[in-house]
Amino acid sequence: KQEVTQIPAALSVPEGENLVLNCSFTDSAIYNLQWFRQDPGKGLTSLLLIQSSQREQTSGRLNASLDKSSGRSTLYIAASQPGDSATYLCAVLIQGGSEKLVFGKGTKLTVNP
Amino acid sequence: KAGVTQTPRYLIKTRGQQVTLSCSPISGHRSVSWYQQTPGQGLQFLFEYFSETQRNKGNFPGRFSGRQFSNSRSEMNVSTLELGDSALYLCASSFTGGKAKNIQYFGAGTRLSVL
Repeated sequence: KQEVTQIPAALSVPEGENLVLNCSFTDSAIYNLQWFRQDPGKGLTSLLLIQSSQREQTSGRLNASLDKSSGRSTLYIAASQPGDSATYLCAVLIQGGSEKLVFGKGTKLTVNP
Repeated sequence: KAGVTQTPRYLIKTRGQQVTLSCSPISGHRSVSWYQQTPGQGLQFLFEYFSETQRNKGNFPGRFSGRQFSNSRSEMNVSTLELGDSALYLCASSFTGGKAKNIQYFGAGTRLSVL
């Protein structure tokens, strides 16, 4: 059974700091890994998707890496801003006949001005 | 292009009632998945529909059911509501044009409160 763990559960940093969020998964049989952002009371916004054959993806100040063999992914946020405050969720799309995502419980990020 | 639309946004029900939630996927998307989000359990997969067929189901009781119509719109139904069903219900759609490249797009969710 695939399990996804995110560490830390919460993180508070001053504005301008670079930071890393961690995600680990137990079964390497995945199609891809996605990082999502969720603002309070809202739905999920996809930030980055890394295919299982890829090592990393970048979008603006965000960089996500994937090491499938060790079951780890990191999300790097450069020069953090107060607007980055949200919960960040990692999810893996498991192999099989359907579109099932298995989520971690998220890291709640607070960037203080 | 319109995003994933979920209606209603908020619902208040009492124990024992039933509820139906609706999800309209992005135009052209054929896969619709449903997830339940609670503070304790996080996001949990309910079921996925593709071309009107349920392809996968999560570990939820039979009170939770769903369906998909020919236009890919989906509904989920919860019968005999319990207090523990209070949650944010999220719907996601994807094109399913090649699994490795699939991005799942989520709606804003329906917040269900059971009193």
